[in-house]
Amino acid sequence: EVQMLESGGGLVQPGGSLRLSCAASGFTFSSYAMNWVRQAPGKGLEWVSAISGSGGNTYFADSVKGRFTISRDNSKNTVFLQMNSLRAEDTAVYYCAKAYDSSGYYDGRNYYYGLDVWGQGTTVTVSS
Amino acid sequence: DIQMTQSPSTLSASVGDRVTITCRASQSISSWLAWYQQKPGKAPKLLIYKASSLESGVPSRFSGSGSGTEFSLTISSLQPDDFATYYCQQYYAYGYTFGQGTKLVIK
Repeated sequence: EVQMLESGGGLVQPGGSLRLSCAASGFTFSSYAMNWVRQAPGKGLEWVSAISGSGGNTYFADSVKGRFTISRDNSKNTVFLQMNSLRAEDTAVYYCAKAYDSSGYYDGRNYYYGLDVWGQGTTVTVSS
Repeated sequence: DIQMTQSPSTLSASVGDRVTITCRASQSISSWLAWYQQKPGKAPKLLIYKASSLESGVPSRFSGSGSGTEFSLTISSLQPDDFATYYCQQYYAYGYTFGQGTKLVIK
């Protein structure tokens, strides 16, 4: 069974840092891009970041560019989201989600996919 | 970024009804659109990908259509388990964007 388990959320002060982890199982982790998607309390879904299977390509929403980094350790089947310079508006449940390779396409430079399996989420609260 | 606009924001319906949710993209995204269902306190669940392809295990009462900028999700006969919030998402270009959601409530 394909599963993702996020961890690392918590309460942090504005300007602080936090590192989220997502441990995956049940599939060949290195073959799939991974994503982070967040949901502020009572709000909709916001895509945050993605990383290719090899880790060589990364993508970010404008709202987090320059503050967040994404990485992965394929030997440990884990993807990370390093969040720096946190703001109150970063408060949200953060989900990791696996790219669904049958759903997407390649435009000659990048691959683009829907998201087929999601973790249960980890909560980040940015407050003083 | 590509803007995704869903309508309606809230939809009131009864068990057995046929309902349709619409999603409009601010530019053409071909067929690179997914639909998700989310229940309170739970992670989203993929229903439809590539605008009209039904994800494995999803009941056939769910269907998707459209291409370019206009898309729709139809539930042919609502079941009690279908009352949830639905989101469309474009994956034509990074950064991916979601619609604001449609909350389906019991009439």
